Amino acid sequence: AQTVTQSQPEMSVQEAETVTLSCTYDTSESDYYLFWYKQPPSRQMILVIRQEAYKQQNATENRFSVNFQKAAKSFSLKISDSQLGDAAMYFCAYRSSEGGSEKLVFGKGTKLTVNP
Amino acid sequence: GAGVSQSPRYKVAKRGQDVALRCDPISGHVSLFWYQQALGQGPEFLTYFQNEAQLDKSGLPSDRFFAERPEGSVSTLKIQRTQQEDSAVYLCASSLRRQGLNSVIGQPQHFGDGTRLSIL
Repeated sequence: AQTVTQSQPEMSVQEAETVTLSCTYDTSESDYYLFWYKQPPSRQMILVIRQEAYKQQNATENRFSVNFQKAAKSFSLKISDSQLGDAAMYFCAYRSSEGGSEKLVFGKGTKLTVNP
Repeated sequence: GAGVSQSPRYKVAKRGQDVALRCDPISGHVSLFWYQQALGQGPEFLTYFQNEAQLDKSGLPSDRFFAERPEGSVSTLKIQRTQQEDSAVYLCASSLRRQGLNSVIGQPQHFGDGTRLSIL
């Protein structure tokens, strides 16, 4: 079974600075999808960025980018020019492309604090 | 509304009572998922529907948990004879489903606000 590990329970960053959140995963599959989700205190999970494993190019969405290292099974999230609104729990998630289920396997999350 | 809607937002029940949690997915979304999120943890998969068919229920923790989606739209998660360890936030998510050449393309899942269930 696939597992996702987020080794940083908490991180903090100064406003306007850059922070990187770590994620590693374990799988024997060659094709899959990886996601970063943000969950503010209001609880609704919001998609931040998505990466397809067969694509070598790292995904980018405005201030958010990933460093996808397939061989190392690493999928870190970089937030540039951090804003107060970025403060939230961040979850890394894995989705298999094999089999019938499209379920997500989540890590335990990293709580990001943004200091003014 | 345009998003996934869950009700109630909060539910308090006494141990042993039955509860029903409702999820109204985004219109047109074929796939529907239920997750359980314990305090301070990441969501854990419970079950998955494609239209009205429940294709994966491997995450349901016991036979006290039951989910249905009879018309392929609204879904209900029912927990019978609730126990204190059932206390958690229950998240519903929905997504489109796009079939690629050899596999299903990973569409993002859209989540509701969740139902916070407290068992006394």
